Amino acid sequence: AQTVTQSQPEMSVQEAETVTLSCTYDTSENNYYLFWYKQPPSRQMILVIRQEAYKQQNATENRFSVNFQKAAKSFSLKISDSQLGDTAMYFCALAGRNNDMRFGAGTRLTVKP
Amino acid sequence: GAVVSQHPSRVICKSGTSVKIECRSLDFQATTMFWYRQFPKQSLMLMATSNEGSKATYEQGVEKDKFLINHASLTLSTLTVTSAHPEDSSFYICSAIGPGGYGYTFGSGTRLTVV
Repeated sequence: AQTVTQSQPEMSVQEAETVTLSCTYDTSENNYYLFWYKQPPSRQMILVIRQEAYKQQNATENRFSVNFQKAAKSFSLKISDSQLGDTAMYFCALAGRNNDMRFGAGTRLTVKP
Repeated sequence: GAVVSQHPSRVICKSGTSVKIECRSLDFQATTMFWYRQFPKQSLMLMATSNEGSKATYEQGVEKDKFLINHASLTLSTLTVTSAHPEDSSFYICSAIGPGGYGYTFGSGTRLTVV
C-alpha cells in the first residue's frame, strides 16, 4: 500500500521569507512520481512541482524547490520569497505504476504581510 | 495545456434521488480518469479509477452500487451518485491522464449538497 504523511496541519510564514513543508511517504515500488499540489479557496488543484523517483536531482520551479531523499522516503517543499498569493492548502501526493495518485492530509499555509 | 471540464460545479438534490457528474477532457484523450472525494478541510480521498471501455476499480470501502462510474469514451467519465443521502454531501473532483503517463489534469470539482 502507498501512504503519504504530512505532519504539519498548519504553517505560517512572513511575506518574503522562506518556508519548508514536510512530506514523507511509503511505497514498495521503485519507480514512482511525487507531487506537490496547491489548493486555493477556489479548490482548483494546481500542480506546484513534480519529481520522478529515478531522478536524483531535486526538481525546481522558480521559487519552489524540493528536497527529495529517496532512501528516507522524504519529499519536502521549500517556498522561497513567500508571497501573499501562496496562501493555500498544500498537498503532497504519490503516484505509482498503477497511476493512481494518493494524497497526504495537507498543510494549510498562511503567508502573513 | 490540457484541460478537464467538470460539470456541474454545484448541485443540490433531494434525498433519494440520483445525480450525475461529468468529467470531460477537452483537448486530449484520457486513458485513465480518477474520482476523488474531499470533505471540508480534509484531503482528497481516491474513490475509484476508471479506464476507457472497462469497469472501474473501486477503493476499499467505496460502494460501487452507490457511486456508479462510467468511462464510455476517451474523453468522458461520469460519476452517478445513486439514491443520494445527506451523508453523500461532499466535494467531488475528477482527474485525468493521457497517453504517456503522469500529466495529471484536475477538473474544477463539484459541490454536491443532498437535502
